[in-house]
Amino acid sequence: EDQVTQSPEALRLQEGESSSLNCSYTVSGLRGLFWYRQDPGKGPEFLFTLYSAGEEKEKERLKATLTKKESFLHITAPKPEDSATYLCAVQAGTNAGKSTFGDGTTLTVKP
Amino acid sequence: NAGVTQTPKFQVLKTGQSMTLQCAQDMNHEYMSWYRQDPGMGLRLIHYSVGAGITDQGEVPNGYNVSRSTTEDFPLRLLSAAPSQTSVYFCASSLAAGGLNTQYFGPGTRLTVL
Repeated sequence: EDQVTQSPEALRLQEGESSSLNCSYTVSGLRGLFWYRQDPGKGPEFLFTLYSAGEEKEKERLKATLTKKESFLHITAPKPEDSATYLCAVQAGTNAGKSTFGDGTTLTVKP
Repeated sequence: NAGVTQTPKFQVLKTGQSMTLQCAQDMNHEYMSWYRQDPGMGLRLIHYSVGAGITDQGEVPNGYNVSRSTTEDFPLRLLSAAPSQTSVYFCASSLAAGGLNTQYFGPGTRLTVL
């Protein structure tokens, strides 16, 4: 059974204080790993897809990386508007079209 | 494009009542799915569809029915609501069932069962 574990559950940062969110996974035949951002009261919004170990993607202050066992979402010099819940999901070889989600990390950035 | 739309946004039911949560997408996406999200948790897959006329169960299907008569619509039916079904429900779609595809989510329906 595919498993996705995100840590920490919650992270509080001061504006400008860089940090990383972790997503560790156990899947058979990883096809891809997704990062989503979810604001309160809204649906998840796509951020990145990573396909293979060693791949990196960036968007503004966010950078996602992937190894064979985990992914990191690095946040550089965060701003209050980066406050949200960040969800990680994996899509595995035997479950084409289905994603398994982690429980998310809720990030709060204080000004 | 409106993307993925869901109605209603909020709903309160009494135990034993039935209702249908509506989901529609205008992107001609092949794959559609329903998730529930409980407080402090990620999304759990209820049912999914890889195309019109084809549906399958996800991780937590009990108490829910789905059908897919058109590409655009994927309604979720609660047969006899229970307090354990209090949750936020998200519908999602992606371009194709095969391959690796980004899912686009609707705004959610917040359901309370008393």
